[in-house]
Amino acid sequence: DTAVSQTPKYLVTQMGNDKSIKCEQNLGHDTMYWYKQDSKKFLKIMFSYNNKELIINETVPNRFSPKSPDKAHLNLHINSLELGDSAVYFCASSQGFGPAKMACFGPGTRLTVL
Amino acid sequence: SQQGEEDPQALSIQEGENATMNCSYKTSINNLQWYRQNSGRGLVHLILIRSNEREKHSGRLRVTLDTSKKSSSLLITASRAADTASYFCATAPLGSGGGADGLTFGKGTHLIIQP
Repeated sequence: DTAVSQTPKYLVTQMGNDKSIKCEQNLGHDTMYWYKQDSKKFLKIMFSYNNKELIINETVPNRFSPKSPDKAHLNLHINSLELGDSAVYFCASSQGFGPAKMACFGPGTRLTVL
Repeated sequence: SQQGEEDPQALSIQEGENATMNCSYKTSINNLQWYRQNSGRGLVHLILIRSNEREKHSGRLRVTLDTSKKSSSLLITASRAADTASYFCATAPLGSGGGADGLTFGKGTHLIIQP
């Protein structure tokens, strides 16, 4: 069984479009995250959700909006896509309201904006 | 430099040899974690070492942590071709209010094991 899954795996789209990436975890974790990995492989956290509340919102453009319909899902919506949004986006989850635990990551979604 | 910087950026060794990667960080941490990323795949957590621990083992992996130097090392013994991947260290900040604080990753070390 896949612990953290993301769809789609690849997404190629035109500048200006709006797109969504879905994430689901079946681990019963109470915290989910979105990370962006740039072309230099540097990972940067974008958002985290704990018990359906946004805890961290790093300095990302407000074109990016996380939406969590329930504890097992954290979807990432991106409006008005720009070339610089091209990257691999990773969803992750962890359990516990305490010092950060080891997170389980999804397989990533490679977004290419043309 | 960035929190959680790995060194070297790339490492190529022969199968069977040991591989050592280092990570330095700047701020106080609760724990430090190492992850592996295979090409085109997601990240897999390898090992977590808490700030009050100095060394930890898991199979062929050995991690050390020196909080006075704000550095950690990951040693992979008897390397195999399947160990070829990028390795990232990630730090969990001290005093984080909860598990919701994200990890801070470095840029990674790309390890190539030559058969």
